[in-house]
Amino acid sequence: EPEVTQTPSHQVTQMGQEVILRCVPISNHLYFYWYRQILGQKVEFLVSFYNNEISEKSEIFDDQFSVERPDGSNFTLKIRSTKLEDSAMYFCATDNGQGGTEAFFGQGTRLTVV
Amino acid sequence: KQEVTQIPAALSVPEGENLVLNCSFTDSAIYNLQWFRQDPGKGLTSLLLIQSSQREQTSGRLNASLDKSSGRSTLYIAASQPGDSATYLCAVDNQAGTALIFGKGTTLSVSS
Repeated sequence: EPEVTQTPSHQVTQMGQEVILRCVPISNHLYFYWYRQILGQKVEFLVSFYNNEISEKSEIFDDQFSVERPDGSNFTLKIRSTKLEDSAMYFCATDNGQGGTEAFFGQGTRLTVV
Repeated sequence: KQEVTQIPAALSVPEGENLVLNCSFTDSAIYNLQWFRQDPGKGLTSLLLIQSSQREQTSGRLNASLDKSSGRSTLYIAASQPGDSATYLCAVDNQAGTALIFGKGTTLSVSS
């Protein structure tokens, strides 16, 4: 079964540092997403990406965040100048954008900011 | 703004029981509703997707129903097993290729 792969599984970083989270989407999928889940809270949407540009973003996705697909396979989320409150599980998801098709999620990257 | 609520927040049952998890959403103009399973510290595994034009979907011991006009979905788990212990999340979107809005989940514990 196809799967979404995320690396690293766990990242510890110091406050103020930049981190890059990586995702390899399912190959024939066209829409890519980042979500986050702070411990004990709901899964929250951050951003969606289609045709090499952001198609939708939430109020959480401010100038601290950016996304790109640098090499046509990886899909990355960059967080600049990390804050303690950025500590969360970050999930990448993909789908093919057609009605009735499921979104597939990766196993997540647990980001801990110290 | 779409809000998704799941009741109960937690549920403990003995093995073999049939059970129902509830999901409600405030805006009935949804496109898809998807049920996920999340094990502690892990990712989300898709269980069932119901399109807005459908009333229910079945996969093995799982059956999900959708009443779009009343803003409700239920996930029915038959003959529960300890391996079903996990958090079950409900999520909706309002068109293809857009964000999923999640509920907080129901944490299920099935004892042997």
